[in-house]
Amino acid sequence: GENVEQHPSTLSVQEGDSAVIKCTYSDSASNYFPWYKQELGKGPQLIIDIRSNVGEKKDQRIAVTLNKTAKHFSLHITETQPEDSAVYFCAAPSDSGGGADGLTFGKGTHLIIQP
Amino acid sequence: DAGVIQSPRHEVTEMGQEVTLRCKPISGHNSLFWYRQTMMRGLELLIYFNNNVPIDDSGMPEDRFSAKMPNASFSTLKIQPSEPRDSAVYFCASSLASYNSPLHFGNGTRLTVT
Repeated sequence: GENVEQHPSTLSVQEGDSAVIKCTYSDSASNYFPWYKQELGKGPQLIIDIRSNVGEKKDQRIAVTLNKTAKHFSLHITETQPEDSAVYFCAAPSDSGGGADGLTFGKGTHLIIQP
Repeated sequence: DAGVIQSPRHEVTEMGQEVTLRCKPISGHNSLFWYRQTMMRGLELLIYFNNNVPIDDSGMPEDRFSAKMPNASFSTLKIQPSEPRDSAVYFCASSLASYNSPLHFGNGTRLTVT
């Protein structure tokens, strides 16, 4: 099955600075890579995802990059704000494909935005 | 859309008691997933259903755990008998049963077994 490694486990940045979270995966057949944000007392919420046919995707202050050769993908948050403080999870399909059989999650990154 | 609805939000029970967690998926979604979240192990997939049929329950930790989906709008996860090591947050998620379809999570049930 898929194995997803996520780093760092905790990341503290000054408000306004950028934050980068990195993940690696093991199954070269995986083709769908979502990122989730989890706030205290809530379930994970999808914030951005990328398919394997593109190398980068951007949505306002959030971007994700994918390197299929190296089997790693990253989340970039620019101009960080206090409301960005949360736990972020990367994920990859548990099956060899697009995730119809569920997702395998990284262990999460606790992002702390310092005022 | 109300999203995925889970109940109860919190459950405190004594060791040996039966616990039933409930989930209502998003209308029109035909895949449903049960995950467990702990500090040590993160988010673990327990079981998932496609069109109300259990597809893979290899993540269910023991025979004490069982899940059902009697119809497209309701699922239960039961633990009998419960043990302190079952304490965790249990999430239900739903999606369309297709490639690249995102999971939509409920807000979870926090289970504490004393």
